Amino acid sequence: NAGVTQTPKFQVLKTGQSMTLQCAQDMNHNSMYWYRQDPGMGLRLIYYSASEGTTDKGEVPNGYNVSRLNKREFSLRLESAAPSQTSVYFCASSETRGGTEAFFGQGTRLTVV
Amino acid sequence: GQQLNQSPQSMFIQEGEDVSMNCTSSSIFNTWLWYKQDPGEGPVLLIALYKAGELTSNGRLTAQFGITRKDSFLNISASIPSDVGIYFCAGLKSGGGADGLTFGKGTHLIIQP
Repeated sequence: NAGVTQTPKFQVLKTGQSMTLQCAQDMNHNSMYWYRQDPGMGLRLIYYSASEGTTDKGEVPNGYNVSRLNKREFSLRLESAAPSQTSVYFCASSETRGGTEAFFGQGTRLTVV
Repeated sequence: GQQLNQSPQSMFIQEGEDVSMNCTSSSIFNTWLWYKQDPGEGPVLLIALYKAGELTSNGRLTAQFGITRKDSFLNISASIPSDVGIYFCAGLKSGGGADGLTFGKGTHLIIQP
């Protein structure tokens, strides 16, 4: 009963390095999301994928790219990491396009130095 | 992006006390959700509200969807130590859409022994 699985759980990058955050869900959900969580800011949507084969920008997409590899997997890539991207990243999925009852992974804590 | 005003920002209470928190918005939402986040974990859905005026309970938790569709509140009765965490409201905007949920900034609940 895994739900939404994110890897890695922790990561430290140097400024300018690249990395990909992985996310997979086993609930056969159509929609998947990437959020970032910063102190005092709540959760902000980076990118989303309403269905397999589609991706769209959310509230804070700059500096990120995504790939909906298949229905299960939705990855988030930082091409050139910046200290401002230090955050906790959450992947989520939902059955409907609207995001109702989204289920979250445990998060990836990323530090860019 | 749209903003949800969640208050209070933090609460320090004694075990056994009742808790009340709320979210307001200048925009109409079709769905209100309340999540709880434990340290090091992703948010977990507590209650979902789908109709204006709806009052829903989940154990010691009670939430209501405001009649104007612009607000919601969450009450926790007889708080216990495991209630500690961050509570987020989230709204799905009118008309749906795959861009996910708009989150409040969270209420930190701290229970003093």
